[in-house]
Amino acid sequence: EVQLVESGGVVVQPGGSLRLSCAASGFTFDDYTMHWVRQAPGKGLEWVSLISWDGGSTYYADSVKGRFTISRDNSKNSLYLQMNSLRTEDTALYYCAKAVAGQLGVYYFDYWGQGTLVTVSS
Amino acid sequence: QSVLTQPPSVSAAPGQKVTISCSGSSSNIGNNYVSWYQQLPGTAPKLLIYDNNKRPSGIPDRFSGSKSGTSATLGITGLQTGDEADYYCGTWDSSLSAFYVFGTGTKVTVL
Repeated sequence: EVQLVESGGVVVQPGGSLRLSCAASGFTFDDYTMHWVRQAPGKGLEWVSLISWDGGSTYYADSVKGRFTISRDNSKNSLYLQMNSLRTEDTALYYCAKAVAGQLGVYYFDYWGQGTLVTVSS
Repeated sequence: QSVLTQPPSVSAAPGQKVTISCSGSSSNIGNNYVSWYQQLPGTAPKLLIYDNNKRPSGIPDRFSGSKSGTSATLGITGLQTGDEADYYCGTWDSSLSAFYVFGTGTKVTVL
């Protein structure tokens, strides 16, 4: 059974830093691209970042570029999101998601974690 | 600020059909495949449709997807109370602002 378990979400002050983790199990972790997706309270889904299976390629949404860093440790079946210079608008539930490449290599997300809540507030 | 536009809400009686539209552009839907996600209250999103119209195992054939030009549609037939949820479309985007984009989301209400 595929499981994705996020952790690390807390209340942090604006300008602060935080590292989220996602522990994966039930599949061959280093075969898959992984993503982070967030959802602000009462709002829709927003794609945040992705990392290729080997960590060699990473992409970010403009809203987090230069402040967030995605990484992975395939030996530990774990995905990470280092979040710096946090802003109030970064307050959200952060999901890690396993991605599968469909037709034309367009990803879709076949498994999601339950999310970890990050609150940026003074 | 999503680049994929969905109606905020749709509703119908049990047993009826609803359709949810997802409107984009040539940089996203027009040249890529679309997936759909269901988010029940207080839970994580769940994959419903991928590659425009394919259902993962375990998803009933009451759910269907289609795409035409720069728009996609999710259909739900035989509506059930358990279908009350938020629904999101998603796809790649070739613009510089985001690698992947989701729709604005649609709340389905069973009357």
